[in-house]
Amino acid sequence: EVQLVESGGGLVQPGGSLRLSCAASGFTFGSYAMSWVRQAPGKGLEWISIISGGGSTNYAGSVKGRFTISRDNSENTMYLQMNNLRVEDTAVYYCAKDWANWNAYFDFWGLGTLVTVSS
Amino acid sequence: EIVVTQSPAALSVSPGERATLSCRASQSVSTNLAWYQQKPGQPPRLLIYGASTRATGIPARFSGSGSGTEFTLTISSLQSEDFAVYYCQQYSNWPPVTFGGGTKVEIK
Repeated sequence: EVQLVESGGGLVQPGGSLRLSCAASGFTFGSYAMSWVRQAPGKGLEWISIISGGGSTNYAGSVKGRFTISRDNSENTMYLQMNNLRVEDTAVYYCAKDWANWNAYFDFWGLGTLVTVSS
Repeated sequence: EIVVTQSPAALSVSPGERATLSCRASQSVSTNLAWYQQKPGQPPRLLIYGASTRATGIPARFSGSGSGTEFTLTISSLQSEDFAVYYCQQYSNWPPVTFGGGTKVEIK
């Protein structure tokens, strides 16, 4: 059974940093791209970053230069380092498994971790 | 960036009736379009990919159609568990991957 478990969310002040983790199990982690998708309270879905099984990355313009996606295939874990956080980054952050490696649609999602950016 | 627009924003349907949801892309995405269902407090669930292929375990009452810029998700006979928000997403030309704003299917 595929499982994705996010952690690391919390309350942070504007300009601060957080590191999110996504622990994966139930599939061959290194064979699949993984993404982060966020959802602001009461709003829709926003894709923010993808990493291939081999480590190639892409970002949405709203986070490029501030967020860094990475993965450790030996630990079956993906990360999102978030720097210079803004109030508008407040959202539930989901990790999502790619259908394959770089298809960019998502067949399994974690339950999400809430990031609140506020002073 | 490809803009994805869903209509209507909300749809009131009685159980057992058909629901038709629309999704439009600002430029052609061929059939590189997915649909997701999201219930309150839950993550999205993949329903349809390739515009018309049901994901594993998705009931046959869900069907997708369209290509290019115009797409439709049809729920043939709404069940109580189908009341949710539905999102379409293009994966033709990215980054960025883009989602529509969602259609909320409510009980009439």
